Amino acid sequence: GENVEQHPSTLSVQEGDSAVIKCTYSDSASNYFPWYKQELGKRPQLIIDIRSNVGEKKDQRIAVTLNKTAKHFSLHITETQPEDSAVYFCAASTNNAGNMLTFGGGTRLMVKP
Amino acid sequence: DAGVIQSPRHEVTEMGQEVTLRCKPISGHNSLFWYRQTMMRGLELLIYFNNNVPIDDSGMPEDRFSAKMPNASFSTLKIQPSEPRDSAVYFCASSTRDFQETQYFGPGTRLLVL
Repeated sequence: GENVEQHPSTLSVQEGDSAVIKCTYSDSASNYFPWYKQELGKRPQLIIDIRSNVGEKKDQRIAVTLNKTAKHFSLHITETQPEDSAVYFCAASTNNAGNMLTFGGGTRLMVKP
Repeated sequence: DAGVIQSPRHEVTEMGQEVTLRCKPISGHNSLFWYRQTMMRGLELLIYFNNNVPIDDSGMPEDRFSAKMPNASFSTLKIQPSEPRDSAVYFCASSTRDFQETQYFGPGTRLLVL
Protein backbone atom coordinates (compact mmCIF):
# COMPACT_ATOMS: atom_id res chain seq x y z
CA GLY A 1 0.00 0.00 0.00
CA GLU A 2 0.84 3.67 -0.05
CA ASN A 3 3.38 5.08 2.40
CA VAL A 4 3.71 8.81 3.02
CA GLU A 5 6.64 10.28 4.90
CA GLN A 6 6.66 13.86 6.13
CA HIS A 7 9.52 16.10 7.23
CA PRO A 8 10.35 17.82 9.45
CA SER A 9 8.31 16.62 12.41
CA THR A 10 8.69 20.02 14.07
CA LEU A 11 9.47 23.40 12.57
CA SER A 12 9.99 26.70 14.34
CA VAL A 13 10.12 29.98 12.40
CA GLN A 14 10.00 33.67 13.18
CA GLU A 15 6.88 35.56 12.27
CA GLY A 16 7.19 36.81 8.71
CA ASP A 17 9.55 34.07 7.61
CA SER A 18 8.63 31.28 5.20
CA ALA A 19 7.99 27.67 6.17
CA VAL A 20 8.38 24.61 3.98
CA ILE A 21 7.10 21.12 4.76
CA LYS A 22 8.02 18.19 2.54
CA CYS A 23 6.37 14.84 1.89
CA THR A 24 7.36 11.81 -0.13
CA TYR A 25 5.09 9.03 -1.27
CA SER A 26 5.75 5.51 -2.44
CA ASP A 27 2.96 4.65 -4.87
CA SER A 28 3.62 6.13 -8.29
CA ALA A 29 -0.11 5.78 -9.02
CA SER A 30 -0.98 8.41 -6.39
CA ASN A 31 -2.58 11.39 -8.05
CA TYR A 32 -4.27 13.46 -5.34
CA PHE A 33 -2.38 15.26 -2.57
CA PRO A 34 -4.31 17.27 0.04
CA TRP A 35 -2.90 19.17 3.02
CA TYR A 36 -4.76 19.41 6.31
CA LYS A 37 -4.18 21.84 9.18
CA GLN A 38 -4.98 20.87 12.76
CA GLU A 39 -4.94 23.52 15.43
CA LEU A 40 -4.43 22.47 19.02
CA GLY A 41 -7.45 20.56 20.29
CA LYS A 42 -9.32 20.98 17.00
CA ARG A 43 -10.17 18.82 14.04
CA PRO A 44 -8.05 18.53 10.86
CA GLN A 45 -9.26 20.83 8.09
CA LEU A 46 -8.32 20.92 4.42
CA ILE A 47 -6.27 23.98 3.49
CA ILE A 48 -5.14 23.17 -0.05
CA ASP A 49 -4.87 20.23 -2.41
CA ILE A 50 -3.19 19.43 -5.71
CA ARG A 51 -3.81 16.84 -8.36
CA SER A 52 -1.17 15.18 -10.48
CA ASN A 53 -2.03 17.08 -13.62
CA VAL A 54 -0.53 20.30 -12.21
CA GLY A 55 2.86 21.08 -10.72
CA GLU A 56 1.95 23.98 -8.45
CA LYS A 57 -1.07 25.57 -6.85
CA LYS A 58 -1.34 28.77 -4.83
CA ASP A 59 -3.90 30.20 -2.47
CA GLN A 60 -2.84 33.52 -0.97
CA ARG A 61 0.12 32.79 1.36
CA ILE A 62 -0.04 29.04 0.83
CA ALA A 63 1.34 27.10 -2.11
CA VAL A 64 1.88 23.44 -2.87
CA THR A 65 4.32 21.99 -5.38
CA LEU A 66 4.39 18.50 -6.80
CA ASN A 67 7.26 16.58 -8.39
CA LYS A 68 5.81 13.36 -9.78
CA THR A 69 9.15 12.08 -11.02
CA ALA A 70 10.71 12.30 -7.59
CA LYS A 71 7.44 11.41 -5.87
CA HIS A 72 7.45 14.29 -3.48
CA PHE A 73 5.30 17.31 -2.78
CA SER A 74 5.75 20.32 -0.54
CA LEU A 75 3.72 22.92 1.32
CA HIS A 76 5.04 26.47 1.33
CA ILE A 77 3.73 29.13 3.70
CA THR A 78 5.01 32.67 3.16
CA GLU A 79 4.87 35.61 5.57
CA THR A 80 4.03 33.30 8.44
CA GLN A 81 1.79 34.57 11.22
CA PRO A 82 1.23 33.27 14.77
CA GLU A 83 -2.15 31.87 13.70
CA ASP A 84 -0.32 29.56 11.29
CA SER A 85 0.95 27.65 14.31
CA ALA A 86 -0.59 24.18 14.07
CA VAL A 87 0.10 20.62 13.00
CA TYR A 88 0.08 20.14 9.25
CA PHE A 89 -0.61 16.78 7.62
CA CYS A 90 0.05 15.82 4.04
CA ALA A 91 -1.83 12.94 2.43
CA ALA A 92 -1.93 10.97 -0.79
CA SER A 93 -4.55 9.02 -2.66
CA THR A 94 -4.69 6.84 -5.76
CA ASN A 95 -7.44 6.14 -8.26
CA ASN A 96 -7.86 2.65 -6.87
CA ALA A 97 -8.25 3.92 -3.31
CA GLY A 98 -11.43 5.85 -4.06
CA ASN A 99 -11.80 8.40 -1.31
CA MET A 100 -9.22 6.85 1.01
CA LEU A 101 -6.25 8.95 2.09
CA THR A 102 -2.89 7.89 3.48
CA PHE A 103 -1.61 10.57 5.86
CA GLY A 104 1.94 11.59 6.68
CA GLY A 105 3.07 11.76 10.29
CA GLY A 106 2.45 15.48 10.65
CA THR A 107 4.60 18.59 11.16
CA ARG A 108 4.21 20.79 14.19
CA LEU A 109 4.78 24.37 13.02
CA MET A 110 5.48 27.02 15.60
CA VAL A 111 5.55 30.65 14.52
CA LYS A 112 7.26 32.87 17.05
CA PRO A 113 6.01 36.45 17.26
CA ASP B 1 -25.14 22.55 7.78
CA ALA B 2 -24.04 21.42 11.22
CA GLY B 3 -21.06 19.52 9.92
CA VAL B 4 -20.03 16.07 11.10
CA ILE B 5 -21.38 15.39 14.58
CA GLN B 6 -19.70 13.06 17.05
CA SER B 7 -20.71 11.94 20.50
CA PRO B 8 -19.63 11.80 23.17
CA ARG B 9 -16.94 14.45 23.00
CA HIS B 10 -15.13 12.98 25.98
CA GLU B 11 -15.27 9.51 27.44
CA VAL B 12 -13.49 8.15 30.49
CA THR B 13 -13.93 4.47 31.20
CA GLU B 14 -12.27 1.62 32.98
CA MET B 15 -10.37 -1.18 31.33
CA GLY B 16 -12.67 -3.97 30.25
CA GLN B 17 -15.71 -1.79 29.71
CA GLU B 18 -17.51 -1.44 26.39
CA VAL B 19 -17.19 1.89 24.63
CA THR B 20 -19.45 3.10 21.83
CA LEU B 21 -18.59 6.15 19.76
CA ARG B 22 -21.19 7.71 17.48
CA CYS B 23 -21.04 9.72 14.29
CA LYS B 24 -23.53 11.56 12.12
CA PRO B 25 -22.02 12.48 8.73
CA ILE B 26 -22.89 15.57 6.73
CA SER B 27 -26.22 15.12 4.96
CA GLY B 28 -25.69 13.95 1.39
CA HIS B 29 -22.22 12.56 2.01
CA ASN B 30 -21.84 8.95 0.98
CA SER B 31 -18.39 8.14 2.34
CA LEU B 32 -17.57 7.86 6.03
CA PHE B 33 -14.24 7.31 7.69
CA TRP B 34 -13.16 6.48 11.25
CA TYR B 35 -9.67 7.62 12.30
CA ARG B 36 -7.66 7.25 15.47
CA GLN B 37 -5.09 9.85 16.47
CA THR B 38 -2.30 9.36 19.00
CA MET B 39 1.02 11.07 19.53
CA MET B 40 2.91 7.88 18.78
CA ARG B 41 1.04 6.66 15.70
CA GLY B 42 -0.35 9.88 14.25
CA LEU B 43 -3.59 9.81 12.26
CA GLU B 44 -4.60 6.25 11.38
CA LEU B 45 -7.52 5.20 9.21
CA LEU B 46 -9.49 2.48 10.96
CA ILE B 47 -12.33 1.81 8.54
CA TYR B 48 -13.99 3.34 5.49
CA PHE B 49 -17.64 3.04 4.43
CA ASN B 50 -19.15 3.89 1.07
CA ASN B 51 -22.93 3.97 0.82
CA ASN B 52 -23.14 2.32 4.26
CA VAL B 53 -20.99 -0.62 3.14
CA PRO B 54 -17.56 -1.22 4.73
CA ILE B 55 -14.99 -0.95 1.94
CA ASP B 56 -11.72 -1.23 3.82
CA ASP B 57 -11.33 -2.25 7.46
CA SER B 58 -7.66 -3.19 7.28
CA GLY B 59 -6.85 -0.50 9.83
CA MET B 60 -9.05 -1.93 12.56
CA PRO B 61 -6.47 -2.97 15.16
CA GLU B 62 -8.08 -6.19 16.37
CA ASP B 63 -11.32 -8.02 16.99
CA ARG B 64 -12.10 -5.82 19.95
CA PHE B 65 -12.96 -3.08 17.49
CA SER B 66 -16.10 -3.14 15.36
CA ALA B 67 -17.90 -0.52 13.29
CA LYS B 68 -21.35 -0.33 11.78
CA MET B 69 -23.26 2.01 9.54
CA PRO B 70 -26.92 0.99 9.64
CA ASN B 71 -28.03 3.96 7.53
CA ALA B 72 -26.67 6.96 5.69
CA SER B 73 -26.89 9.26 8.70
CA PHE B 74 -25.39 7.20 11.51
CA SER B 75 -22.32 5.15 12.30
CA THR B 76 -20.87 3.61 15.45
CA LEU B 77 -17.42 2.47 16.47
CA LYS B 78 -17.42 0.01 19.33
CA ILE B 79 -14.54 -1.20 21.48
CA GLN B 80 -15.21 -4.25 23.62
CA PRO B 81 -13.41 -4.80 25.90
CA SER B 82 -11.50 -1.54 26.10
CA GLU B 83 -7.84 -1.37 27.10
CA PRO B 84 -5.62 1.53 28.24
CA ARG B 85 -3.76 1.46 24.90
CA ASP B 86 -7.03 2.38 23.17
CA SER B 87 -6.80 5.84 24.72
CA ALA B 88 -6.76 8.29 21.82
CA VAL B 89 -8.82 10.85 19.94
CA TYR B 90 -11.21 9.18 17.52
CA PHE B 91 -12.32 11.21 14.54
CA CYS B 92 -15.14 10.54 12.15
CA ALA B 93 -14.98 12.17 8.71
CA SER B 94 -17.30 12.23 5.74
CA SER B 95 -17.10 13.19 2.08
CA THR B 96 -19.20 13.03 -1.02
CA ARG B 97 -18.93 9.92 -3.08
CA ASP B 98 -17.30 11.94 -5.82
CA PHE B 99 -13.79 10.86 -6.55
CA GLN B 100 -11.07 12.17 -4.25
CA GLU B 101 -13.10 14.89 -2.60
CA THR B 102 -12.47 16.78 0.63
CA GLN B 103 -12.93 14.89 3.85
CA TYR B 104 -14.72 16.86 6.56
CA PHE B 105 -13.77 15.86 10.06
CA GLY B 106 -15.95 15.84 13.13
CA PRO B 107 -14.76 17.39 16.42
CA GLY B 108 -13.50 14.03 17.67
CA THR B 109 -14.08 11.93 20.76
CA ARG B 110 -11.31 11.98 23.34
CA LEU B 111 -11.23 8.53 24.93
CA LEU B 112 -9.34 7.73 28.11
CA VAL B 113 -9.29 4.13 29.31
CA LEU B 114 -8.04 3.76 32.87
